[in-house]
Parts: sequence; C-alpha cells; structure tokens
Amino acid sequence: DIVLTQSPALAVSLGQRATISCKTNQNVDYYGNSYMHWYQQKPGQQPKLLIYLASNLASGIPARFSGRGSGTDFTLTIDPVEADDTATYYCQQSRNLPNTFGAGTKLELK
Amino acid sequence: QVQLKESGPGLVQPSQTLSLTCTVSGFSLTSYHVHWVRQPPGKGLEWMGRIQNGGSTDYNSALKSRLSISRDTSKSQVFLKMNSLQTEDTAMYFCARSTMGMTTGVMDAWGQGASVTVSS
Repeated sequence: DIVLTQSPALAVSLGQRATISCKTNQNVDYYGNSYMHWYQQKPGQQPKLLIYLASNLASGIPARFSGRGSGTDFTLTIDPVEADDTATYYCQQSRNLPNTFGAGTKLELK
Repeated sequence: QVQLKESGPGLVQPSQTLSLTCTVSGFSLTSYHVHWVRQPPGKGLEWMGRIQNGGSTDYNSALKSRLSISRDTSKSQVFLKMNSLQTEDTAMYFCARSTMGMTTGVMDAWGQGASVTVSS
C-alpha cells in the first residue's frame, strides 16, 4: 500500500499563508497526471473535496485554496487563511488500490 | 442535488455482522462508483472498498475477508456488510461517490456518516 505522510498540526495567523505537505513512499504520477487529492474535514462533519489531481480546484471551493506537486511531494496552500479554515486536512492517493489517506494535518489559528 | 445518506444500526455486538445502507439521489449508480470509508473516533480515514458503476467491486485487502459491498440500482442503494466485528471496528462509516476515468478515486460527494459502536 502507498503510505502518505503529513505533519500532525500547523498553526498560522489569520490572513497569513498556510502550507500543508504530503509525502508519499511511492510515485503517484501516471501518464502526466498526479493522483493526489485533498479534503477538508471539520469536527462532526464529512470530508469535503478541495483539490483533485494535485492542482485542480473542486467545484465551489474558493481560489484561496491551491495545490501543487508531483511524484512523491505535494502541498496544499491556503492563502489567505480565514477563521473558517480551521479543520483537519487529508491528502489521498488514487494511483494504486487501496486508496489511502494521510493521517491528517490539523490547522489551527495562532 | 447530489445526496448520499447512510443508515444502519448504531450498536453491533462483537462477532456479529454489520449491515449498512447508502441511499443516493441526484445521480445514477450506473454512472458513478460508490466507496465506503470509515473513521474511528479521533482518528484518520480508511478506505474500505468500492462498487464500480458496472457493478464490480474492489476491497481493501486488510478487510477483504470480512467485507462485502453490493447494490440495488432500482432503489439507488448500496449495501455494506462486514462480519466478525470487533471493538476496533467502532467508527463513523461514510459512503462517497466518484466518477470514472482519471477521477475514479476522487470522492466528490460524501454522506454525513453512520456511527457504529461495537459493544456487548
């Protein structure tokens, strides 16, 4: 199984930039696409798709969210951070089955 | 409007079988895959398996021996059955959909989840 590694937590100030990283132990690229996706989950809620195929913004997601990366290194950036962004963020790969998720990064405000 | 809604018993006894239903609306099961993902309390997400638009299934090898996913397209329902439940199977169980092709693993809509506790 592909293992995804995320830092457990990140604290940023309102209006600043948050960069969340996700590293995989195998390449998740295939024929020019990176099979990496990002989700936001708030307490008591279901996950919400933010970014798919590494850099594509999901429908209805504000442009403050962006994703980049390829191969084994990926980042999710939120700029500027708003109070409503406090949540846990998960990366997920779909290059190989089983689909696997990172352990999540909890974003908190300073 | 796309919706998925999980339902099932909140409490299951150890060694018994869990049965959950995901009822969908706003899209067809013959055009989308449906996944099951679970989340133990305070922990991360685990992909359990999926039923593809054509009806074939894929399972996480860690659960394959205990897990079965099926569907009734006429009722727009997907079913999860998992046997030999233990306390570590206590979790929130989500169903989610994805499209085909490059985005086959992109879960763009999720249900609110069904809480399952395994306890005697």
